[in-house]
Amino acid sequence: EDKVVQSPLSLVVHEGDTVTLNCSYEVTNFRSLLWYKQEKKAPTFLFMLTSSGIEKKSGRLSSILDKKELFSILNITATQTGDSAIYLCAVPNTGNQFYFGTGTSLTVIP
Amino acid sequence: GAGVSQTPSNKVTEKGKYVELRCDPISGHTALYWYRQSLGQGPEFLIYFQGTGAADDSGLPNDRFFAVRPEGSVSTLKIQRTERGDSAVYLCASSPSGGRINEQFFGPGTRLTVL
Repeated sequence: EDKVVQSPLSLVVHEGDTVTLNCSYEVTNFRSLLWYKQEKKAPTFLFMLTSSGIEKKSGRLSSILDKKELFSILNITATQTGDSAIYLCAVPNTGNQFYFGTGTSLTVIP
Repeated sequence: GAGVSQTPSNKVTEKGKYVELRCDPISGHTALYWYRQSLGQGPEFLIYFQGTGAADDSGLPNDRFFAVRPEGSVSTLKIQRTERGDSAVYLCASSPSGGRINEQFFGPGTRLTVL
């Protein structure tokens, strides 16, 4: 059965800390892996990863994919209270069916 | 430009009633997805349209759920004989075709509550 597993389920840190969020997957006909940030209702797109070992970076956020070990990490450095959200990992197969993890709930305390 | 919009934002209904949820994708996006998200869970895939046709409806939980996209733009998710277990946030997403097909843009969702 295809699945995406995220860890930890929740995380509480102080402003300025660095966090690493994990996503492992078992999806047949893997196509890509995506990270989203969900603050209220609509998830917003962060990164799409298709190749192993190539880091994607956007400001304080970065992500990398390991297609051999079937996982990805999302790093956030110098966390701010505005980073508090649920971070979702999704993996579509070549049929464009998307499998989402349950998300990691990040809370950044001032 | 306008993003994905969904109406209504909230819907409260009674068990056994019929509901329709609407999604207006970003103009020009050929792919449209419906998801259901329960509290504490990630979005659960329901159905995917490419143009007017349902390319994959394997996520629809049972035959009470049906979705259409007659002109390849607006889509309606229809739920018959609603049950309390249908209560969730229903998210719609659209994406362009080609190399960016996996970059989904989500709408704000419709929160459905079945009493």
